[in-house]
Amino acid sequence: AQRVTQPEKLLSVFKGAPVELKCNYSYSGSPELFWYVQYSRQRLQLLLRHISRESIKGFTADLNKGETSFHLKKPFAQEEDSAMYYCALSGRGSYIPTFGRGTSLIVHP
Amino acid sequence: DTGVSQNPRHKITKRGQNVTFRCDPISEHNRLYWYRQTLGQGPEFLTYFQNEAQLEKSRLLSDRFSAERPKGSFSTLEIQRTEQGDSAMYLCASSLGTGKGGQPQHFGDGTRLSIL
Repeated sequence: AQRVTQPEKLLSVFKGAPVELKCNYSYSGSPELFWYVQYSRQRLQLLLRHISRESIKGFTADLNKGETSFHLKKPFAQEEDSAMYYCALSGRGSYIPTFGRGTSLIVHP
Repeated sequence: DTGVSQNPRHKITKRGQNVTFRCDPISEHNRLYWYRQTLGQGPEFLTYFQNEAQLEKSRLLSDRFSAERPKGSFSTLEIQRTEQGDSAMYLCASSLGTGKGGQPQHFGDGTRLSIL
């Protein structure tokens, strides 16, 4: 069975502080991992995927197979980063994506 | 293309009634997903179509739920004999890809269902 755990429901930081949103997964095969973001009153949208290895809006995420983690990081948070962030897993042997419960990030001025 | 479109945006109905939601995916996308999302939770997978074929259905999905994707274009999700526990946001997403494994999904705004 595949599972995604986001241990923090809420993360509150001040502008300019570093941010790390945690994501741990459980999957026996090769995982494909994604971070999705939902800004207030907007639809869920892709932020980044591990295969791309790119930085989007200053965010990066590295797949750590040893720790089965895919934490999302940003060195200096901005107020506009305030949103719900969901980690998602699609196993290469499955059609079924699994989402974590989400972490609400609040960046204070 | 305006992205994934879902109708209606809101649906309020009495317990026991049937409801049907529609999803229009991005036109060239062959994959279509339905999810259910309740407060404080992430999207929960319901079912998956590749073109017109329904290839996966969640084991948690009651037989009161049925989905179709005729001709591999738009999709409908029907809930029969609705119950209080069906109150949720129903999300549709589409993507382009073949075989198993993940591709980035494009989500609609969802249909919020409220059962009285």
